[in-house]
Amino acid sequence: DTAVSQTPKYLVTQMGNDKSIKCEQNLGHDTMYWYKQDSKKFLKIMFSYNNKELIINETVPNRFSPKSPDKAHLNLHINSLELGDSAVYFCASSPQLAGVGGELFFGEGSRLTVL
Amino acid sequence: GESVGLHLPTLSVQEGDNSIINCAYSNSASDYFIWYKQESGKGPQFIIDIRSNMDKRQGQRVTVLLNKTVKHLSLQIAATQPGDSAVYFCAEIVQGAQKLVFGQGTRLTINP
Repeated sequence: DTAVSQTPKYLVTQMGNDKSIKCEQNLGHDTMYWYKQDSKKFLKIMFSYNNKELIINETVPNRFSPKSPDKAHLNLHINSLELGDSAVYFCASSPQLAGVGGELFFGEGSRLTVL
Repeated sequence: GESVGLHLPTLSVQEGDNSIINCAYSNSASDYFIWYKQESGKGPQFIIDIRSNMDKRQGQRVTVLLNKTVKHLSLQIAATQPGDSAVYFCAEIVQGAQKLVFGQGTRLTINP
């Protein structure tokens, strides 16, 4: 049983399109995150949610809109996709806010390619 | 084998040798550090962590050393195996910041 699962694993789309990536965790954690990994493997936090409440928005363009319908789900919607959005997007969860309780558990990633 | 700093992305060692991966962190207010391993096509996986009130922590074949004076963290892997080939990241949490910040990463390659 996958702890943090993301769909889709691969996504290829044209510039200007709108797409979503979904994430679910079955660990009972309160906090969920989205990270972006670029072609040089650099991992950068985008958003974090704690019990459906936005905690961190790391100066991400407004085209990116996270949504957390419940604490087990954190979806990422991206409008008007640009070439620079091509990356691997990782969802993660932790028992509580980072630094308060425990490490982050990561999903397998969703590779987005914008043509 | 040994790597230095955040800008050297590759380290090659012979199978069976020990490897040391180094990480320099920037924020003296960081109080929790984690090493993650990322295999090809997968998400980062927790290896070992250490809090700022410690300077050493050991796990199975891995040891993390923390030197707060020079803001340096290292991961030692003993008797490396082919399955240790991966990209290794150090990550830090600044006290009160509520986010895990990753370093650049080092690709470790194990030669047979």
